[in-house]
Amino acid sequence: GEDVEQSLFLSVREGDSSVINCTYTDSSSTYLYWYKQEPGAGLQLLTYIFSNMDMKQDQRLTVLLNKKDKHLSLRIADTQTGDSAIYFCADSTGTASKLTFGTGTRLQVTL
Amino acid sequence: GAVVSQHPSWVICKSGTSVKIECRSLDFQATTMFWYRQFPKQSLMLMATSNEGSKATYEQGVEKDKFLINHASLTLSTLTVTSAHPEDSSFYICSATPTGANGYTFGSGTRLTVV
Repeated sequence: GEDVEQSLFLSVREGDSSVINCTYTDSSSTYLYWYKQEPGAGLQLLTYIFSNMDMKQDQRLTVLLNKKDKHLSLRIADTQTGDSAIYFCADSTGTASKLTFGTGTRLQVTL
Repeated sequence: GAVVSQHPSWVICKSGTSVKIECRSLDFQATTMFWYRQFPKQSLMLMATSNEGSKATYEQGVEKDKFLINHASLTLSTLTVTSAHPEDSSFYICSATPTGANGYTFGSGTRLTVV
């Protein structure tokens, strides 16, 4: 719940790593998520992390959580043109609780 | 994996008419579904929580009589935009999650254009 903030835009070259940052304010957030949205489409869940974890890695994706600073990041290794999309972080206080979304970060991957 | 189907994908309607959007969980039962609205280049704003067999819970500022939600079964929730106006034009997305699962599955969204 409460506020979730992200930077609006990120441009990286193909093959480089992308790091998308997110800050949240709700100290009772239990689950934090990263979603990907391509133009005109719904949201695709990429990964999530529990608040008692510091890091989670899933293939090219690495999520880092600094609970003290309420800061979440998503690192995409070897970024590809197909990764171009809007990335939303979101938090919730439980598995059946509503999600509060960040403002979204548009990732542009250039050749 | 869990699949949420949303129909229609897009709809154009005249001002003053009503439009119904369906959200179905195809391979799981969902006692709770969520309806979001997304304006161009903006984030998703939760409109309401749809509860099977009971009244929906609306977020502050969302008109209950304008955005009617019905969750008649464990696999279907509908959002009806009544007496639509051009300012209702937006992208509407639903989501649901199987009990005990983590991470919500979203429908593909419905783009509503009111002319």
